[in-house]
Amino acid sequence: QQQVKQSPQSLIVQKGGISIINCAYENTAFDYFPWYQQFPGKGPALLIAIRPDVSEKKEGRFTISFNKSAKQFSLHIMDSQPGDSATYFCAAGGYGQNFVFGPGTRLSVLP
Amino acid sequence: DVKVTQSSRYLVKRTGEKVFLECVQDMDHENMFWYRQDPGLGLRLIYFSYDVKMKEKGDIPEGYSVSREKKERFSLILESASTNQTSMYLCASSFLREMNTEAFFGQGTRLTVV
Repeated sequence: QQQVKQSPQSLIVQKGGISIINCAYENTAFDYFPWYQQFPGKGPALLIAIRPDVSEKKEGRFTISFNKSAKQFSLHIMDSQPGDSATYFCAAGGYGQNFVFGPGTRLSVLP
Repeated sequence: DVKVTQSSRYLVKRTGEKVFLECVQDMDHENMFWYRQDPGLGLRLIYFSYDVKMKEKGDIPEGYSVSREKKERFSLILESASTNQTSMYLCASSFLREMNTEAFFGQGTRLTVV
């Protein structure tokens, strides 16, 4: 019930394309869903987060789509750029619970 | 800017050694965490602390211990290092867990046990 599944494991996208990473969770007590971005040699940093009272949140080129009934959420990166090449982790957390992280997606954006 | 600082970027230790990984945060966060990161497994929680001298086991505490004597400092201890503890170790901090706020990570310590 604590697991967060993430796919794909790796993703290659052309510059200007759309990158889509999907996550699924099981624990219905989760109510906070952040995405973290990690560049080589750096620690993860918060990219964008959503709570289940909305179905979508957009910040610049990054959008989270959230489907509460399916217990799924996804990250969309529009107009992907080579500078977006990084590893992306989804996570889920709830009241009084620590975050559970997905296994990560390595994104490569080709110039 | 929030800063979480890990004392070493790279460490090489011998099997059986006692290893200390240090982490300091400057934002007066209540929560501090230690994760290990392995390819394909994501971030797995080793231990966390929500107050000075308080500690709780995460998902993979075996072979590790922690110490939090001051609010800003959280140490991870490998009592007797083994080769299967070769990994990237990440420290993080955040405000009260109940608020589910952003966790800030250090740059990581890549530990190799030979």
